[in-house]
Amino acid sequence: DAGVIQSPRHEVTEMGQEVTLRCKPISGHDYLFWYRQTMMRGLELLIYFNNNVPIDDSGMPEDRFSAKMPNASFSTLKIQPSEPRDSAVYFCASSGKLGLGYTFGSGTRLTVV
Amino acid sequence: AQSVTQLGSHVSVSEGALVLLRCNYSSSVPPYLFWYVQYPNQGLQLLLKYTSAATLVKGINGFEAEFKKSETSFHLTKPSAHMSDAAEYFCALSGGSYIPTFGRGTSLIVHP
Repeated sequence: DAGVIQSPRHEVTEMGQEVTLRCKPISGHDYLFWYRQTMMRGLELLIYFNNNVPIDDSGMPEDRFSAKMPNASFSTLKIQPSEPRDSAVYFCASSGKLGLGYTFGSGTRLTVV
Repeated sequence: AQSVTQLGSHVSVSEGALVLLRCNYSSSVPPYLFWYVQYPNQGLQLLLKYTSAATLVKGINGFEAEFKKSETSFHLTKPSAHMSDAAEYFCALSGGSYIPTFGRGTSLIVHP
């Protein structure tokens, strides 16, 4: 398996633009997680899905953030409009069973200027 | 409520020396505990996990960790550091919700 695949690896955008981050989980993993990593706040869980259904989105910072999982092999995290404070590394992770460890993607480094 | 505290944001060792990265936890239920490693510009990789079986857990790359309930600790060790061990290390705890809480991370610096 190729692991969890995220795209793009790097994204630089201007404030106010829409940003879409993409994730392909490991085949057969029923859980998908979106995390944000910053120096100030560390790793923050934004949202997670089970069998394509959002279970907990309490970590999504604002209405500007939205996430979807239209099928078992694809998820998106969208920020609209983007702001400089959204600059961070965004990770997607998947797991076959809750509580037993995740497989992380390589992340998307987002810079909003 | 559950929490993880990693003592020391940076740990510096010489190549060949013992590595000790400290993690203390707080959980109202029996915890599952994890150590992850993050190399520059990469995602987190699972090093090892404790899931209530043996208290001494062996992981990849020669790392191991011991669960000590009385001390609420899960410290990560490696007998002899290698230059390639330089990375960020994260301790994580899964409690009743099974969603892990991550520590702030410890940067391991290895000097030649």
